[in-house]
Amino acid sequence: AQKITQTQPGMFVQEKEAVTLDCTYDTSDPSYGLFWYKQPSSGEMIFLIYQGSYDQQNATEGRYSLNFQKARKSANLVISASQLGDSAMYFCAMREVSSGSRLTFGEGTQLTVNP
Amino acid sequence: DVKVTQSSRYLVKRTGEKVFLECVQDMDHENMFWYRQDPGLGLRLIYFSYDVKMKEKGDIPEGYSVSREKKERFSLILESASTNQTSMYLCASRSFVGTDTQYFGPGTRLTVL
Repeated sequence: AQKITQTQPGMFVQEKEAVTLDCTYDTSDPSYGLFWYKQPSSGEMIFLIYQGSYDQQNATEGRYSLNFQKARKSANLVISASQLGDSAMYFCAMREVSSGSRLTFGEGTQLTVNP
Repeated sequence: DVKVTQSSRYLVKRTGEKVFLECVQDMDHENMFWYRQDPGLGLRLIYFSYDVKMKEKGDIPEGYSVSREKKERFSLILESASTNQTSMYLCASRSFVGTDTQYFGPGTRLTVL
């Protein structure tokens, strides 16, 4: 079974609007971490935001926020006030305590921001 | 800021050649990782290293080996390159401080002809 599922292969958003990228995960570990990365066309993976399974509040980093719904096992990324430079591939990833330091990645969502 | 560098952004090699991909991090991280990324398959872990001279196989180690002689450097070796190893290779290092995040290098696009 897929541990990380990103159901949106592609998403489009108008500049200055907000967009939500979906991520659901599957784990039986009580302790885990969830990450979002951005990969522009240049190829490097840029860390955006982290949510720990025991964190009480949703993580925020500037225009990025993580909508963490533990019971539903979802960790959606919200980008507010989209910019043209946000056009990229976005990956959700999970680290489970049982897997040590390994990350499991989803297949990604290609976001295009239209002017 | 964390800095992870990879020796080449683009590399073209011939079938059967021995290929070295180098990764260097400047943050004194213990853990380092090599992934390959292919369309439709996402990122897959090839090898990782917990510390100097330590290595663990990831999900797809066949055809690859690694070397970690110094803490800051983690090398991926393709003993005899094949066309199915044409891919994007990403190196990462991991911090134990704060959010336990993996930080990635810029990637190497390897083409094997």
